Amino acid sequence: DQQVKQNSPSLSVQEGRISILNCDYTNSMFDYFLWYKKYPAEGPTFLISISSIKDKNEDGRFTVFLNKSAKHLSLHIVPSQPGDSAVYFCAATEYGNKLVFGAGTILRVKS
Amino acid sequence: GAVVSQHPSWVICKSGTSVKIECRSLDFQATTMFWYRQFPKQSLMLMATSNEGSKATYEQGVEKDKFLINHASLTLSTLTVTSAHPEDSSFYICSAMGTPYNEQFFGPGTRLTVL
Repeated sequence: DQQVKQNSPSLSVQEGRISILNCDYTNSMFDYFLWYKKYPAEGPTFLISISSIKDKNEDGRFTVFLNKSAKHLSLHIVPSQPGDSAVYFCAATEYGNKLVFGAGTILRVKS
Repeated sequence: GAVVSQHPSWVICKSGTSVKIECRSLDFQATTMFWYRQFPKQSLMLMATSNEGSKATYEQGVEKDKFLINHASLTLSTLTVTSAHPEDSSFYICSAMGTPYNEQFFGPGTRLTVL
C-alpha cells in the first residue's frame, strides 16, 4: 500500500516558468512533509519541509503548499532554472523519524 | 549541512557472496542511521533503523538474517548483504541523524549488482 504517491513520473518546464510538483498521501497521521531533490548517482538532499499545522512554507524560489483536507501537497518552483532538473521526492513522517517516500518525479527544465 | 559518505559507490559481485556497505557520518555523531533501498523508478523504501550500540529495527518484509546491520560507533554503520542473489541488485542508500541536527542527511548511495 503506497502511503505517499507522486502520480506524475515526469514533468517538463520551460526555463523561467513555474514548476509544480504534486504529491498525495493516504495516512492522516502524517504530521510532517518534506521535499528532497536527487541527482543521478547521488543521495537525496533536503529541499523544503512543512508541518501539518501550516498550509504554506516558502524558501526563496521554492514554496510548498499543504492541503490537509485533500491530503495533498505541492512544490512550486518559480522561476524554474536548468539546474533544477533532477528527481524530486516527496516524503512524509508520522510523529518521528521514519520517512515514507513517494516514487519521485523527474523534472526537466528546458533552456 | 552535514556530510554522509558511503563506500563503495558501486559493487559487482557473484551470486552467493556477501557484500558489505559502509555508511559514515563525517562531521557529526550519528545516533541514528537508516538504510533504504531503491529499485528503478520506485521510491526509497526504508529497510531498517539502527541506533548506535543497539540492534537494528527492521521494516516488515525485510529479512534481518540476510541484511545484517551493525551500528557500532557514532560515525559508522554497515549493511552486509549475505549470500547475495540477483534480486538483491539495487541502489542502497543510508542516512544519518544526530546532534546537533534534527534531520536526516543522506549518503550518495551504493549501486549493487549481483551476477
